Amino acid sequence: DVKVTQSSRYLVKRTGEKVFLECVQDMDHENMFWYRQDPGLGLRLIYFSYDVKMKEKGDIPEGYSVSREKKERFSLILESASTNQTSMYLCASSPASGLDIQYFGAGTRLSVL
Amino acid sequence: KNQVEQSPQSLIILEGKNCTLQCNYTVSPFSNLRWYKQDTGRGPVSLTIMTFSENTKSNGRYTATLDADTKQSSLHITASQLSDSASYICVVSARTGGFKTIFGAGTRLFVKA
Repeated sequence: DVKVTQSSRYLVKRTGEKVFLECVQDMDHENMFWYRQDPGLGLRLIYFSYDVKMKEKGDIPEGYSVSREKKERFSLILESASTNQTSMYLCASSPASGLDIQYFGAGTRLSVL
Repeated sequence: KNQVEQSPQSLIILEGKNCTLQCNYTVSPFSNLRWYKQDTGRGPVSLTIMTFSENTKSNGRYTATLDADTKQSSLHITASQLSDSASYICVVSARTGGFKTIFGAGTRLFVKA
């Protein structure tokens, strides 16, 4: 089974802190994604990566950056956390195939106070 | 504008009953449509995936249909169980050089005994 692991289930941070969300997948997938999920809005893509050291902006990249130094690991970075970044963050991975089925981690619920 | 709209927003049914969830989309050019199940506090898990040429796909008690002409999909759940209580997310991908994936906001299903 594909396993996508997010390092934290719950995080509480203060405004202005630098926050790292880590994601690791064990299926040698080329593609990795970071989403945030807010009530009534569905999942919104923040950034994705299709190869090591490659990254592409999604729909809402402002206030975020990412790092993909190794194929299995994709990190989401909040340089200076703000209260409007309180959300559920979901990581996903997919193979480089035509149907791009994405496998999701359990999510990290981040609260910024 | 690429959009995915789901209805109803939430639904309460009795255990053992059937239900149907709807998804309308305006994504073009269409590549594939997926239904995900997301349990509370967990990441989404893929239930079905359909390409343009497929109009029905089953996964146990879950049956998805696709009408590419009217751009509508439905997810039918037969003989509901308490464990079916979850959010069901419709996801549509557009083939645009790479892939563009649009998530619906989901339908929250409650199955009560």
